Amino acid sequence: EVQLVESGGGLVKPGGSLRLSCAASGFTFTNAWMNWVRQAPGRGLEWVGRIRSKTDGGTTDYAAPVKGRFTILRDDSNNMLYLQLNSLKTEDTALYYCTNLGRDWGQGTLVTVSS
Amino acid sequence: DVVMTQTPLSLSVTPGQPASISCKSSQSLPHSDGKTYLYWYLQKPGQSPQLLIYEVSNRFSGVPDRFSGSGSGTDFTLKISRVEAEDVGVYYCMQSIQLHSFGQGTKLEIK
Repeated sequence: EVQLVESGGGLVKPGGSLRLSCAASGFTFTNAWMNWVRQAPGRGLEWVGRIRSKTDGGTTDYAAPVKGRFTILRDDSNNMLYLQLNSLKTEDTALYYCTNLGRDWGQGTLVTVSS
Repeated sequence: DVVMTQTPLSLSVTPGQPASISCKSSQSLPHSDGKTYLYWYLQKPGQSPQLLIYEVSNRFSGVPDRFSGSGSGTDFTLKISRVEAEDVGVYYCMQSIQLHSFGQGTKLEIK
């Protein structure tokens, strides 16, 4: 059974940092292109960024609102995906999902940016 | 950036009746590889999104055949032939021709 389990969310002040984790199991993580998608409270889905598999270069792409502030990392030896959030703004408050944009989505971890 | 625009933003449907959601992209979505990377998701209340349709018209595994997708270029449609109570939620289209971007979502409720 495929599982994606996010963790690391919490309350952080504007300008602060946070690191989200996603533990993957039940599939060949090494081969997967992985994404982060977020959803602000009561709002729609917003794609945040992706990381390619190492085989495909391991490179990353980001949505304009987070480029330069967020970084996606992967640890294939431990089947882990990460999202480093820096210079956080109140508008980054959202539920953050780890997903391959196919069948597999986690349940999300909530990030609240507030003073 | 590719902007995805869905209409309507909400609809109320009697069980057994059809429903249709439109999704228009600001750029043409066909890729040079011949595929069109347009997807449909449903987010049921309190749940994570689930994939319904991939590459315009292909139903994902386990998706009932009352769901169908169509379209080309910049105009796409999701149709539900006979709405059931379990279909309530928010429907999103998403493009993958240029990174990824979602439509605003269409909330389906049952009359």
